Amino acid sequence: NAGVTQTPKFQVLKTGQSMTLQCAQDMNHEYMSWYRQDPGMGLRLIHYSVGAGITDQGEVPNGYNVSRSTTEDFPLRLLSAAPSQTSVYFCASLAGVTGELFFGEGSRLTVL
Amino acid sequence: GDSVTQMEGPVTLSEEAFLTINCTYTATGYPSLFWYVQYPGEGLQLLLKATKADDKGSNKGFEATYRKETTSFHLEKGSVQVSDSAVYFCALHNDYKLSFGAGTTVTVRA
Repeated sequence: NAGVTQTPKFQVLKTGQSMTLQCAQDMNHEYMSWYRQDPGMGLRLIHYSVGAGITDQGEVPNGYNVSRSTTEDFPLRLLSAAPSQTSVYFCASLAGVTGELFFGEGSRLTVL
Repeated sequence: GDSVTQMEGPVTLSEEAFLTINCTYTATGYPSLFWYVQYPGEGLQLLLKATKADDKGSNKGFEATYRKETTSFHLEKGSVQVSDSAVYFCALHNDYKLSFGAGTTVTVRA
């Protein structure tokens, strides 16, 4: 059982470049989300989705786009990377009944 | 809105010491409460949970009791090991809204 799979694990970008962080889950969870983790700030919600075709903004959505065309996939797009987006990104899906979040292993992004 | 406040770290302990990490929350309704653990270089994983008042969650020697009267969910372990070195996050789930504490870094020395 793969759970939540994120790629890539590491990425270095130059300011202004774009990229997509991929996230896939095989648990048939309706709810998926993206967080960023920065030192001393815990986890901050970027975007989330409660099902295919439905997305919404979290606490820190600026500079990021998401889409949810299938239940399994929830990619996060950086349209024009900025140094302030240097962070570790986590994708997570929610087991609705128990309320437990299942996290991917994280993607460390550095923007120069 | 809902929020979670947990004690700031870092916390450094010797092996076999007692560990407590305080967590308090603010929420409407009846949230579920969680502790997640993040080992170095890994994602977060569920450590324990409690879904209603007075429930006690336990796992790997860790315990936390959902106290509605004090809006708290403190994490405790009686005798820590070096392998317990990690970042611990208190979290709240309330009607699909999730809130995390800032995390507490715990280092256990042999």
